[in-house]
Amino acid sequence: DPKIIQKPKYLVAVTGSEKILICEQYLGHNAMYWYRQSAKKPLEFMFSYSYQKLMDNQTASSRFQPQSSKKNHLDLQITALKPDDSATYFCASSHWGGKGAETLYFGSGTRLTVL
Amino acid sequence: GDSVTQTEGQVALSEEDFLTIHCNYSASGYPALFWYVQYPGEGPQFLFRASRDKEKGSSRGFEATYNKEATSFHLQKASVQESDSAVYYCALSATSSGQKLVFGQGTILKVYL
Repeated sequence: DPKIIQKPKYLVAVTGSEKILICEQYLGHNAMYWYRQSAKKPLEFMFSYSYQKLMDNQTASSRFQPQSSKKNHLDLQITALKPDDSATYFCASSHWGGKGAETLYFGSGTRLTVL
Repeated sequence: GDSVTQTEGQVALSEEDFLTIHCNYSASGYPALFWYVQYPGEGPQFLFRASRDKEKGSSRGFEATYNKEATSFHLQKASVQESDSAVYYCALSATSSGQKLVFGQGTILKVYL
């Protein structure tokens, strides 16, 4: 059974709309992450959360907002969608001990296409 | 900023060939180094890691040795199989990059029968 569940697997949206990408992890980890993969930038870091608090944000646009309702959930809300947002979005998790260099485990991704 | 460079964009081999994918990094301090593998339609899977100079990481017949002097972590496998066809990513995690994983561009490995 997959330990990191991402939903949906495929998503098609129109320009200007809003979508939420879902991520749940069942590895008992206390840190979660979002990465984006596109032809231009393979595996680009977006956000990291630990104990439901933002640790790092490398996303320039405020249109991308992570949401953590539970410690094993980290959803990604994207507003005012643009065609350039088309990519595969990966959720990941790890144990965060505060000293860094933890191993990340990834979900299978949500492939977003913006028309 | 911290970065990882994979020399080969694509590698094509026959079964039982020897594999080397070159990975060099640039980071302050002493980063941890990782190899991940990604199959079509899936997320990256952790292969192995190394955290100190001369440490060897290995898994599934793949291995790499941390070389701080050369700032390298080259992936090798003695005899590849068709099932090894995938994209391989080298990555680092360093204090200077906020402990997030920084990935290289990836290397597409195709193994032919």
